Amino acid sequence: EAGVTQFPSHSVIEKGQTVTLRCDPISGHDNLYWYRRVMGKEIKFLLHFVKESKQDESGMPNNRFLAERTGGTYSTLKVQPAELEDSGVYFCASSQDRGRRNQYFGPGTRLLVL
Amino acid sequence: GESVGLHLPTLSVQEGDNSIINCAYSNSASDYFIWYKQESGKGPQFIIDIRSNMDKRQGQRVTVLLNKTVKHLSLQIAATQPGDSAVYFCAEMSGSNYKLTFGKGTLLTVNP
Repeated sequence: EAGVTQFPSHSVIEKGQTVTLRCDPISGHDNLYWYRRVMGKEIKFLLHFVKESKQDESGMPNNRFLAERTGGTYSTLKVQPAELEDSGVYFCASSQDRGRRNQYFGPGTRLLVL
Repeated sequence: GESVGLHLPTLSVQEGDNSIINCAYSNSASDYFIWYKQESGKGPQFIIDIRSNMDKRQGQRVTVLLNKTVKHLSLQIAATQPGDSAVYFCAEMSGSNYKLTFGKGTLLTVNP
């Protein structure tokens, strides 16, 4: 079974530019989560999809971040315009059942905003 | 690596020794406590979880202890191996809240 995949693995952009991160969850997993760890901080929840619907986006830091999951398969997280403090590692996770403790994480996208 | 700049607590052990990694949590309403292992360049990987109505749970070479009185969680790794070297995170989840709330993490280094 393929795991959660994320693309790109690394991204270096300049402040003010736009970046789009992609996550492909495990096939059949309706639940998809985005988390991030900025430098010096803990891993923080950003949002949760069930299929194509946003169940909770309370962790999204501001309106520069837009997440989508059209068709309920893969998801994208767009940052526009990127700021220096957005640098960090963005993780995607998926699970079969809502609230299931075993969320399967992808390898993350390492974003550096210069 | 990703641990740089995080000022993580560190634990260094000799191969074959037992390791104990500790975590303090804040939300007494959490229903589940989970340990994740993160190796360099990879995402967190589920190790073991424990429900809040339990105080101990054992897996293969790992044991999780929960002390709700002092809001303390620990992960014990028996006969630690070089492959156990990683950052270990504790996380909380409540039944009504699927979000994982992570702790800071501990960097475990196993010396051969």
